[in-house]
Formats: sequence, C-alpha cells, structure tokens
Amino acid sequence: AQSVTQLDSHVSVSEGTPVLLRCNYSSSYSPSLFWYVQHPNKGLQLLLKYTSAATLVKGINGFEAEFKKSETSFHLTKPSAHMSDAAEYFCVVSDLDNQGGKLIFGQGTELSVKP
Amino acid sequence: EAEVAQSPRYKITEKSQAVAFWCDPISGHATLYWYRQILGQGPELLVQFQDESVVDDSQLPKDRFSAERLKGVDSTLKIQPAELGDSAMYLCASSPSGLSYNEQFFGPGTRLTVL
Repeated sequence: AQSVTQLDSHVSVSEGTPVLLRCNYSSSYSPSLFWYVQHPNKGLQLLLKYTSAATLVKGINGFEAEFKKSETSFHLTKPSAHMSDAAEYFCVVSDLDNQGGKLIFGQGTELSVKP
Repeated sequence: EAEVAQSPRYKITEKSQAVAFWCDPISGHATLYWYRQILGQGPELLVQFQDESVVDDSQLPKDRFSAERLKGVDSTLKIQPAELGDSAMYLCASSPSGLSYNEQFFGPGTRLTVL
C-alpha cells in the first residue's frame, strides 16, 4: 500500500526567505509523487510531479522537489517566498494498487508568509 | 483554458434531507473522480469512473451515497439522507485517462454544511 506523511501541519516564513515543506512516502513500487496547492476557495492545482525521470523536479511558480529514494522523501522547496504562496500544500502519491490512478493525499501543510 | 465545473459552490441543508452535486469534467477526459475533503484533512476518493463505468467505489458509503455518469460525460453525486458528519468539501476531478502518472484537474468544489 502507498501512503504519504507531511511532517509539518503549519509552516510560517517571511517574504523573501526560503520555503521547505517536508514529505515522506511509503510505497511498495516506484511511486508517482505529486505536490498540489490549494488556495482558499479555489480548486487544487498541480505544482509538480515525479514519475521516475529526473529526481529533481521543477514546477510552477518557482517551486521544486527532490525525490530521494534512500530517504523515502519528496520535500518541496522554493528559494524565496512570496505573499501569494500562502496556501495549503498537499503531498500526494498515486495508488498503484488501483487501476485508475487514485490519489492518496497527505494531511496538508498550511504555509503562512509574513511581510 | 478548460476547467472542471461544479455546482452548486455552496449548499446548506438539514439533516435527513437529500442533496445532489453536479460535475462537468474537461471535455474529452475519460476518467472522473469524486473526492471528499473534511476540514483540516486531505481529500479522500469516494468514487472513480472510467467513461460511464465505476472503477472504484470502495470508499463510497453506499447506504446513503450514490453517483452516476450516465453518458460518460458529466456526473452527479447524491446523498440521501444527509447526516451531520457529511459536512465537507466535495471535489470533482478529471483526467485524460486513469494512468497513475496523469495529472488530475480539480474543480472548485462544493462546500456542504449539514445542520
């Protein structure tokens, strides 16, 4: 079975400082991993995805994540936070036991950005 | 840019009443998903369609929930009777196919409050 654990329920940074949102995964297979972002009153939006190509994945809005098999981690980073980055972030793994691409979400990390 | 449409955006109902949510996926997307997101948690899959067929409804409370996608395009999720614990955000997503590495595109959701 596949699962993800987001290590922080809330992260607070100052504008212009780096962002680190931590995620560990568990999978019996080579996983497909995603980060989605959810802004208030808006739908979930894909930030980036890992599908066994390059281990360093670049996404939208300056975010990137590195797949580390030895550490079973897929942490999300951004060099410099912007006020508009304040949102809920979900680390997600695709359930490979499911024939239809079912997504398994972590509990979410709320990112606050202080001016 | 094509988007997943959902209606209504907000629904308030009383316990034991019936409610229905509608989703129109991105044109041409064969796979449609309904997720439930309880406040403070990540979304969880309720039901998944491939065209008009149900692929996975293992987490759907079938005594009160039903879902259909009659022509393999739009879909309706129904709850009858609603219970207090059903208060949540109901998200619809679609994907070109049910492959594990495919991005799922999410609608804005329907926020249900049961009084």
